[in-house]
Amino acid sequence: LAKTTQPISMDSYEGQEVNITCSHNNIATNDYITWYQQFPSQGPRFIIQGYKTKVTNEVASLFIPADRKSSTLSLPRVSLSDTAVYYCLVGDIDNTNAGKSTFGDGTTLTVKP
Amino acid sequence: DAGVTQSPTHLIKTRGQHVTLRCSPISGHKSVSWYQQVLGQGPQFIFQYYEKEERGRGNFPDRFSARQFPNYSSELNVNALLLGDSALYLCASRTSGGGETQYFGPGTRLLVL
Repeated sequence: LAKTTQPISMDSYEGQEVNITCSHNNIATNDYITWYQQFPSQGPRFIIQGYKTKVTNEVASLFIPADRKSSTLSLPRVSLSDTAVYYCLVGDIDNTNAGKSTFGDGTTLTVKP
Repeated sequence: DAGVTQSPTHLIKTRGQHVTLRCSPISGHKSVSWYQQVLGQGPQFIFQYYEKEERGRGNFPDRFSARQFPNYSSELNVNALLLGDSALYLCASRTSGGGETQYFGPGTRLLVL
């Protein structure tokens, strides 16, 4: 499985756009990129998943360059409630969504007023 | 609709004891995965079950075992508890064995003294 590297922590302020980048140099052809959000003492929550270019949903956008060796999760206009740990996972879609992929240590995002 | 439920929410055991953790998936979901999350780290995959059969096993010792029942609920058993087994144990469910997003429960916090 492709190893991922994320910043340990990031700080932001309410209303700002936050971009969290994940490096996955050894991503395989069949691998998808998936991001989860986790609040303290809760299970992770699926945010977004993509294979290439750009994916957007109601909460975030995912940007994936052509070489797919990195990806960027973009959170528009964050609020205090977006303070959480964000995990980037890379793996075959079946394995990733079946729970067989490995979470890294994630990025702790702190949103300040 | 009820989400993934887990019981108990918290548990304290002593070294050498045995523990059973329970998980009820979202109605209609036939796949259950178990994760261990040590404080400060991302979740680590332990098992996946689909249609009552083991579909995947992470890098955990044989002290860890699991099973899935005909109603798709699942149990995770850990024997001969060690201090290092103290963690948040997460259960995730999904519709089938691969492809779809997985949904996590709130977890069981296990403390081994």
